[in-house]
Amino acid sequence: QSALTQPASVSGSPGQSITISCTGTSSDVGYYNLVSWYQQHPGKAPKPMIYEVSKRPSGVSNRFSGSKSGNTASLTISGLQAEDEADYYCCSYAGSSTLVFGGGTKLTVL
Amino acid sequence: EVQLVESGGGLIQPGGSLRLSCTASGFTVSSNYMTWVRQAPGKGLEWVSLIYTGGSTHYADSVKGRFTMSRDRSKNTLYLQMDSLRAEDTAMYYCAGSLSSVNWFNYWGQGTLVTVSS
Repeated sequence: QSALTQPASVSGSPGQSITISCTGTSSDVGYYNLVSWYQQHPGKAPKPMIYEVSKRPSGVSNRFSGSKSGNTASLTISGLQAEDEADYYCCSYAGSSTLVFGGGTKLTVL
Repeated sequence: EVQLVESGGGLIQPGGSLRLSCTASGFTVSSNYMTWVRQAPGKGLEWVSLIYTGGSTHYADSVKGRFTMSRDRSKNTLYLQMDSLRAEDTAMYYCAGSLSSVNWFNYWGQGTLVTVSS
């Protein structure tokens, strides 16, 4: 149950697009199409933004999109807005009814 | 409106025990998939445990044998019994629920803080 690998930080200017990567192994991200992404603002609970690689929960802006290639999943945020500044975590099903999170990425909107 | 409210956190000495509760409203704990996720101060999210609608439970290696997840249908409440607590168990503990699957969770509580220290 090793944590998935995410960049510690990314940044972008308002209106730009950014992508956050999430690298796992052939036993988790690479094997299952069950990657989810959570947004967390300081002092708040996580909020799901993407599930099953590329699906958006009801109410989540279509500026958020997800994809996967091999052992790496990605979250793309287009048209960056100030309120997107937050920590983002990926999560993957890892088999045997276990889950594994990434280390988290701090997004700064410049 | 769905609400999950955690309670039971606090300061506990190493080796001690604590039971966390997660009480739901607008949501039936026993009919949905539930999980506990923790976050050490200034650190990332860590999956802790999971309970299926059928009642089977599963745990991260870091807590297996020390933590026990359960639920009370009559109280619509989820529990996490934590024994043999260690300093590294210090974290905010969140409960979360899902109507449809075990691989993502759309309802989250605000968390309860557990501090393990002498």
